[in-house]
Amino acid sequence: AQTVTQSQPEMSVQEAETVTLSCTYDTSESNYYLFWYKQPPSRQMILVIRQEAYKQQNATENRFSVNFQKAAKSFSLKISDSQLGDTAMYFCAFMKPTPYGGSQGNLIFGKGTKLSVKP
Amino acid sequence: DGGITQSPKYLFRKEGQNVTLSCEQNLNHDAMYWYRQDPGQGLRLIYYSQIVNDFQKGDIAEGYSVSREKKESFPLTVTSAQKNPTAFYLCASRNRPNNEQFFGPGTRLTVL
Repeated sequence: AQTVTQSQPEMSVQEAETVTLSCTYDTSESNYYLFWYKQPPSRQMILVIRQEAYKQQNATENRFSVNFQKAAKSFSLKISDSQLGDTAMYFCAFMKPTPYGGSQGNLIFGKGTKLSVKP
Repeated sequence: DGGITQSPKYLFRKEGQNVTLSCEQNLNHDAMYWYRQDPGQGLRLIYYSQIVNDFQKGDIAEGYSVSREKKESFPLTVTSAQKNPTAFYLCASRNRPNNEQFFGPGTRLTVL
């Protein structure tokens, strides 16, 4: 079964600095999707960034970028120029493929990293 | 505006009672999902539905039931068989072309 591990329960960063959140996963599949979601205190889950495993290029969305290392099964999130509004729980998620190909879109989540951005 | 709504935001239930959580989406997505979130845990999948009138159990389906009579709606019933129902419940729908899931604002269920 696929698993997702986030080894940093809590992290903090000063405003305007850069922080990297770690995520590793375990799968025997060759094609899959990886996601980072943000959950601020409002508890609304917000998609931050998406990576397709067959794409070698790392995904980027404004201040958010990933370092996807397929062989190492690592998917870290880098937040540049951290802002107070980035304070949230961050969840790494793996999209589980079906045995018959394609995807039913089931997400497997890590336990999250609580990020605090300090002024 | 397109999106996912969940109601109510807070729900209190007495032990032994069934309760139904509402989830509605107007994104025209075929697939919908229910997740449960406990403190210090990630989200865990309860049930999912790929199409109207069809649904499958997720990893923690015991004590829950769902229906999918309309594309827009995917209600979740928490039955009295669920041993520890106090949790935060999130509904999501999936944009099939890019496999992105969009979430509703959640329902906080507390058993008294």
